[in-house]
Amino acid sequence: NAGVTQTPKFQVLKTGQSMTLQCAQDMNHEYMSWYRQDPGMGLRLIHYSVGAGITDQGEVPNGYNVSRSTTEDFPLRLLSAAPSQTSVYFCASSLYAGVTDTQYFGPGTRLTVL
Amino acid sequence: AQSVTQLGSHVSVSEGALVLLRCNYSSSVPPYLFWYVQYPNQGLQLLLKYTTGATLVKGINGFEAEFKKSETSFHLTKPSAHMSDAAEYFCAVSGNQAGTALIFGKGTTLSVSS
Repeated sequence: NAGVTQTPKFQVLKTGQSMTLQCAQDMNHEYMSWYRQDPGMGLRLIHYSVGAGITDQGEVPNGYNVSRSTTEDFPLRLLSAAPSQTSVYFCASSLYAGVTDTQYFGPGTRLTVL
Repeated sequence: AQSVTQLGSHVSVSEGALVLLRCNYSSSVPPYLFWYVQYPNQGLQLLLKYTTGATLVKGINGFEAEFKKSETSFHLTKPSAHMSDAAEYFCAVSGNQAGTALIFGKGTTLSVSS
């Protein structure tokens, strides 16, 4: 099992550019989510999905889009990058959307927007 | 709504000393509580979690935490710190609604000196 994988590990964008952060898991998990981590802010939820074809917004969804066409993949799209989106992005998954399920995190993508 | 407060953004201990990382929660429903650890440049991994039952929860790497409802606390402890424990630690709470993601505290960085 590779677990949760994320690509790329690092990315530098210019303001206004768009890009997609990739996330994949090979554990057949139903629940997947995206967080951003900023210094002194902990992790904040961007979007989540409880299964293929179903997505919903988290705490900080503005400027981001997601889709879930397969169980394995949950890409995060930045539509028009802004400096405020400079952050470390983590994808996570769990077997189900249950409140006691353990979340498994990917290694993160460090994004800088100039 | 659920929330988590971690007291102390930075804790320093000597190798062999007691580790105590504080976490207080706010929840309108019975909480499910988690501690995650993040080593430098890595994703988060679960240390331990409290769902129901025994209030003293043992986790990996010698860590444990005690759920105290009367104090709304879930402090993380380890009797003897090791250099390899140096990392950032996050307390998180989950609500009782399926699909609800974790709500994280802002994190506590643990430094261990020899």
